[in-house]
Amino acid sequence: EAQVTQNPRYLITVTGKKLTVTCSQNMNHEYMSWYRQDPGLGLRQIYYSMNVEVTDKGDVPEGYKVSRKEKRNFPLILESPSPNQTSLYFCASSSTKAINQPQHFGDGTRLSIL
Amino acid sequence: GENVEQHPSTLSVQEGDSAVIKCTYSDSASNYFPWYKQELGKRPQLIIDIRSNVGEKKDQRIAVTLNKTAKHFSLHITETQPEDSAVYFCAATLLYNQGGKLIFGQGTELSVKP
Repeated sequence: EAQVTQNPRYLITVTGKKLTVTCSQNMNHEYMSWYRQDPGLGLRQIYYSMNVEVTDKGDVPEGYKVSRKEKRNFPLILESPSPNQTSLYFCASSSTKAINQPQHFGDGTRLSIL
Repeated sequence: GENVEQHPSTLSVQEGDSAVIKCTYSDSASNYFPWYKQELGKRPQLIIDIRSNVGEKKDQRIAVTLNKTAKHFSLHITETQPEDSAVYFCAATLLYNQGGKLIFGQGTELSVKP
């Protein structure tokens, strides 16, 4: 089944404790991105990647890191999480480098930073 | 920077009525406009999209119209059903260099009353 898989689905942690949210897609997609969803603000892009070893900042990259060492994986890293990073996170992928293709979303990861 | 404004933020209709959600964008180079539906606790899912070379697209009870001159696009749902209740997001592409990203609207919570 074609899908985008995120782990974990839920995480409660404390300020300053490094964490990684994994994202993997099995559709051989070129473009992958991370979004955070907050009430009243819609979906805001954190980082995106058009290809292996190519990443770029989205609208809200502060406090986050990503890597794209393999085509299928695009982990989101919070080196020193803070409470303002409490949010619902979605990973998404699309088939080509061009952004004008449908995005396929994962099921989301709900992070709570205490 | 690029901005996508979405209205209304909440919309309540009676079953069988029509619902219209409107979005405006600021980047005249935007060329792809998807609409996503997000049911409670679930991932956003693409329901319809339109490209800048088309003025209107229809898929059963759902249609999208695009006015490039005015830089706005709208989602129309006819004969609404309770299962149409969800949050709907519009988005527009922001293109630059060899890449780009999707900018999302703030979302519209649609409630269809039986």
